[in-house]
Amino acid sequence: ETGVTQTPRHLVMGMTNKKSLKCEQHLGHNAMYWYKQSAKKPLELMFVYNFKEQTENNSVPSRFSPECPNSSHLFLHLHTLQPEDSALYLCASSQDPVSDGVLQYFGAGTRLSVL
Amino acid sequence: AQKITQTQPGMFVQEKEAVTLDCTYDTSDQSYGLFWYKQPSSGEMIFLIYQGSYDEQNATEGRYSLNFQKARKSANLVISASQLGDSAMYFCAMSSPFSGGYNKLIFGAGTRLAVHP
Repeated sequence: ETGVTQTPRHLVMGMTNKKSLKCEQHLGHNAMYWYKQSAKKPLELMFVYNFKEQTENNSVPSRFSPECPNSSHLFLHLHTLQPEDSALYLCASSQDPVSDGVLQYFGAGTRLSVL
Repeated sequence: AQKITQTQPGMFVQEKEAVTLDCTYDTSDQSYGLFWYKQPSSGEMIFLIYQGSYDEQNATEGRYSLNFQKARKSANLVISASQLGDSAMYFCAMSSPFSGGYNKLIFGAGTRLAVHP
């Protein structure tokens, strides 16, 4: 148990559906992250939130919409996705995103399949 | 541009033997951090070990040690006395600055380690 919980663990959705991924951290951290892990590709950072403010959007398509209502919760709203968006989506949190040595704690991920 | 390279897509090791997973990095920053994470089939990324660029001693955490060679820009992970539970994907990562003075992690492609009994 790392203190970062992601739900659902698995999600299958059609291209016209709207769904949301949820991440909750119980570590008292101030920064939260969304990563995408596709088959045979390195993890790609999608979004960073620090104290509920978005500090990084790594050129992510608008069909992915993050929301961070407070420092403990992070959502990723999905709509009109494409089959190539099928991947493992990982959430992480850290005390702060500034230090070189800041340790990110990851959740177990949501495995998304887009049909 | 910052980059992490893991040249071994897959590695095999006999139980109780030691194994080295390779990682090289490219950066023009003077200050950076290097991390190793383990990802079992369950998907969760588990932190193993950290090395700061100014640390003179190689980092160690139990059976894990990081062989840091700054001039060669390498940060290899050494797992001693391998166990069956060590079978997983292993990712090398580096902290890299982005906008606003923040750091982000850049990951390598990973190495899949299989431990045989």
